[in-house]
Amino acid sequence: QVRLVQSGAEAKKPGSSVKVSCKASGGSFNSYSISWVRQAPGQGLDWLGHIIPAFGIRNYAQKFQGRVTITTDDSTGTAFMELSSLRTEDTAVYYCATCRGPEVCLDVWGQGTTVFVSS
Amino acid sequence: DIQMTQSPSTLSASVGDRVTITCRASQSISSWLAWYQQKPGKAPKLLVYKASTLQSGVPSRFSGSGSETEFTLSISTLQPDDFAVYYCQQYSDYPWTFGLGTKVETK
Repeated sequence: QVRLVQSGAEAKKPGSSVKVSCKASGGSFNSYSISWVRQAPGQGLDWLGHIIPAFGIRNYAQKFQGRVTITTDDSTGTAFMELSSLRTEDTAVYYCATCRGPEVCLDVWGQGTTVFVSS
Repeated sequence: DIQMTQSPSTLSASVGDRVTITCRASQSISSWLAWYQQKPGKAPKLLVYKASTLQSGVPSRFSGSGSETEFTLSISTLQPDDFAVYYCQQYSDYPWTFGLGTKVETK
């Protein structure tokens, strides 16, 4: 089973951007799709969007539309999530997670990346 | 957006109890529902997908059922390792949405 390793914690200023990476062990995701989910301190789970690499399809949650961009680098087996125009309420743990197939979601998760936004 | 409503929000139980968590969708999602377990400081873990299919490696005391708008996650005999927060999630329609979670705590 693929293992996902995310980049380290980030501290950002309001208005700036953050780019979080998610690397698949073995250099390839071998997954149907890659999602990004966040969890604010003490809160539940919030889906930001996903990419289906085989079809080049991206879907983003409307609430993040225009601020979030999900990409992949197939040569290194790495996915990226960039969130712009950061606000203090974007402080959260950001997870990447995969779907092994269109029915099997979300079966593998990264360890999470803490993004802290403060002036 | 499809709203996912879990109940109860907190459940107090003892080791050996049978536990049932309910998840209701604001519109039909067929069987496009997953259940996750999350422990403090850890990523969620997939337990059940497609409403009733147990993920590989998940103990058989966990089971999922339901379709359309009503779903349940059951734990037949609660074990010490099962005290955690459980989330349901629909992946029928975008944006994918989660319930607010059910915390299973020690009675």
